[in-house]
Amino acid sequence: DVKVTQSSRYLVKRTGEKVFLECVQDMDHENMFWYRQDPGLGLRLIYFSYDVKMKEKGDIPEGYSVSREKKERFSLILESASTNQTSMYLCASSFEGDNYGYTFGSGTRLTVV
Amino acid sequence: AQRVTQPEKLLSVFKGAPVELKCNYSYSGSPELFWYVQYSRQRLQLLLRHISRESIKGFTADLNKGETSFHLKKPFAQEEDSAMYYCAPTPYAGGTSYGKLTFGQGTILTVHP
Repeated sequence: DVKVTQSSRYLVKRTGEKVFLECVQDMDHENMFWYRQDPGLGLRLIYFSYDVKMKEKGDIPEGYSVSREKKERFSLILESASTNQTSMYLCASSFEGDNYGYTFGSGTRLTVV
Repeated sequence: AQRVTQPEKLLSVFKGAPVELKCNYSYSGSPELFWYVQYSRQRLQLLLRHISRESIKGFTADLNKGETSFHLKKPFAQEEDSAMYYCAPTPYAGGTSYGKLTFGQGTILTVHP
């Protein structure tokens, strides 16, 4: 009963490549989020979206962009991958409002070489 | 600036001992607060949320507005509680925040047999 699916569990890309990370949810959630998870730094918000074609920058948007053409899909794009973008990327979704919390995907471990 | 702090990166206890994972926040208004847990090789999942006043897996968390803390407690730790724990408030300030969560740095709890 997987509800938030990230397309890749592991990815290895070269410096300078354009990288697409895909996330799909089947819960009809309005909100979707992209975080990166690094040891000692916790989870840091990259971008989020509260509706189709709507997006907002999070705390660390530099070097990233996003796309939300359909309600169920939220894509994270690394325009030109760099080694400091090596990380675990987590996608999450939630209903509109503040009280429901997130459902997370299983994560994508991206290594940029 | 809105901030959440988990002062302990690592916490070790023995089975059957009480455990307290600390979380301090600095937000205006009345934030909604969550605790998330990530067991080994599993996705990040919601453990409990303040608004529900619930106890999950023996854990409880009390909001102390005076100290701006939301510590997670369990009277008798079990080995299966070993995991990474994140405190996460929403920066609710009277208007919609789209349910955006800010995560602490995380605490790795190890329960020894």
